[in-house]
Amino acid sequence: GESVGLHLPTLSVQEGDNSIINCAYSNSASDYFIWYKQESGKGPQFIIDIRSNMDKRQGQRVTVLLNKTVKHLSLQIAATQPGDSAVYFCAEIKDNQGGKLIFGQGTELSVKP
Amino acid sequence: EPEVTQTPSHQVTQMGQEVILRCVPISNHLYFYWYRQILGQKVEFLVSFYNNEISEKSEIFDDQFSVERPDGSNFTLKIRSTKLEDSAMYFCASSPGLDTQYFGPGTRLTVL
Repeated sequence: GESVGLHLPTLSVQEGDNSIINCAYSNSASDYFIWYKQESGKGPQFIIDIRSNMDKRQGQRVTVLLNKTVKHLSLQIAATQPGDSAVYFCAEIKDNQGGKLIFGQGTELSVKP
Repeated sequence: EPEVTQTPSHQVTQMGQEVILRCVPISNHLYFYWYRQILGQKVEFLVSFYNNEISEKSEIFDDQFSVERPDGSNFTLKIRSTKLEDSAMYFCASSPGLDTQYFGPGTRLTVL
């Protein structure tokens, strides 16, 4: 079946350190993956995306890595800041499912000053 | 920067009552979605809408739910007879194509 899950429910890092948030997925037919950030009381905010034909994509301070061999997705945040504290969700889409996003459980990132 | 907006931010209703949640998607987007998030849980897909019809729906989206795009800007979710378990945050999202979806701030629905 389809599922997207996260390895760790919580992650605590020191300000300035790099953060790595991991995600495992089981549907090898997924075409597109997105990382969202959700702050308390707000909607999911787009961070970065990656197509299944790519291995890596970089944004501003963030990098997403996709390992299709082991069905693993990771989000790397460089020089983590207190404003990065939030819950991070990975999500996947299959092109033939009307845009249905399947979300993982979420990892709560806590940044200590 | 264009944003998805939702009203109201909080809706309290009695069990069995009808509610309508409203969304204004980003203006040039073509695909529209509703998701819900029960407190402390992951975001769950409800329905996607394109070209004035539902393109995909989940098992949660039963006969009690309906969506409508009554004019060129609004996108609504109606729950005909609310149940206690409908209490959740409801998020609207939109996308230009079948890719990145942009979410609104959500409506917190509380069913008493």
